[in-house]
Amino acid sequence: DSGVTQTPKHLITATGQRVTLRCSPRSGDLSVYWYQQSLDQGLQFLIQYYNGEERAKGNILERFSAQQFPDLHSELNLSSLELGDSALYFCASSPPDQYFGPGTRLLVL
Amino acid sequence: DAKTTQPTSMDCAEGRAANLPCNHSTISGNEYVYWYRQIHSQGPQYIIHGLKNNETNEMASLIITEDRKSSTLILPHATLRDTAVYYCIVPNMGGTSYGKLTFGQGTILTVHP
Repeated sequence: DSGVTQTPKHLITATGQRVTLRCSPRSGDLSVYWYQQSLDQGLQFLIQYYNGEERAKGNILERFSAQQFPDLHSELNLSSLELGDSALYFCASSPPDQYFGPGTRLLVL
Repeated sequence: DAKTTQPTSMDCAEGRAANLPCNHSTISGNEYVYWYRQIHSQGPQYIIHGLKNNETNEMASLIITEDRKSSTLILPHATLRDTAVYYCIVPNMGGTSYGKLTFGQGTILTVHP
């Protein structure tokens, strides 16, 4: 158990819809990193937050957004979903030896 | 992040040592080498990291060459549960991207009975 929690574990939705993925970092960790893993792209960094502030952006689409709340949990919002957004979404905390959550498997039909 | 190169796949017999190589010839003097693994769609798992000296923990050993251009992850007694994709990463430790990990394709390690 990494101490990082993610909900939901699985999500099935339709194209055009919007979903929210939630992540709680390890107790005491201020950073949250979001990653996407699709079959054709591998694991890719999306965005990083530190103590509520956005710190770095990776290959995150404009349809995607994230935020980190005062209690340090983070939410990744995915809107206008497309078939290609189907992927595993992981969050991690505790840099540099990051601990990853179990992931959310998103399936867009 | 410094670019790393790993073999696409490797096989290992159960109970034998698994030696996974990684080239990172563009690594800077203050950059660490990190190893993670991912077991079948689970979240990546941190294994070990090092700067110059060899490192060992309960999971593995890390051997870094003197010129730091390559390293080898050693699983001393591989088990079937060690079958996974192993990633060698040299993460960005500077600026606002501190800790961001850039994953390559990694090495698929298959441990056979």
